[in-house]
Amino acid sequence: GESVGLHLPTLSVQEGDNSIINCAYSNSASDYFIWYKQESGKGPQFIIDIRSNMDKRQGQRVTVLLNKTVKHLSLQIAATQPGDSAVYFCAENVKLGAGGTSYGKLTFGQGTILTVHP
Amino acid sequence: NAGVTQTPKFQVLKTGQSMTLQCAQDMNHNSMYWYRQDPGMGLRLIYYSASEGTTDKGEVPNGYNVSRLNKREFSLRLESAAPSQTSVYFCASSFQGASGNQPQHFGDGTRLSIL
Repeated sequence: GESVGLHLPTLSVQEGDNSIINCAYSNSASDYFIWYKQESGKGPQFIIDIRSNMDKRQGQRVTVLLNKTVKHLSLQIAATQPGDSAVYFCAENVKLGAGGTSYGKLTFGQGTILTVHP
Repeated sequence: NAGVTQTPKFQVLKTGQSMTLQCAQDMNHNSMYWYRQDPGMGLRLIYYSASEGTTDKGEVPNGYNVSRLNKREFSLRLESAAPSQTSVYFCASSFQGASGNQPQHFGDGTRLSIL
């Protein structure tokens, strides 16, 4: 089946550096993408989302880029802090048919472990 | 604002026992979801409820049942627990409407071990 995957399972950076976490998706019908952060013992926490009619969206210290041509999604974290250390998941939503919705049925990637060293 | 609340946080069962995991949200969301997360893997959808009164199977529904009790509450039941159901279970909710998809908000999970 079609799925979302991540290129790098782990990423280590120094505090203050910028981090880039990548995600590849295979379903061209996906119309909505979300990045989540998960800390140990916690549930996934929403970071930022982007719809397929956009290429870029910025939040506080985070930017999501969507390249539909190569089916690639990335999360950029500026000035990474130790508190950013966590597992990051991308998730996609596939639109079911013309004019349909999939009621938020998300397909998650495996996750990338981000470690920020002081 | 509590968001999504799951109970219990931890549970140990013996094979064959039954159990219901509870989930409640206070964000007036219409859609609710149950996922499981196994080590080193992303979340997999078990069941979802697009709106009060409806439920549908997700990716891995076998061995589970759900009940959308009202708009706030969505429970997950294991009728006869099996070791393969040892996992962390997450409940989520979101508002899905004509404006399109909205992000799902998650609880902190129930850690379930089946011996």
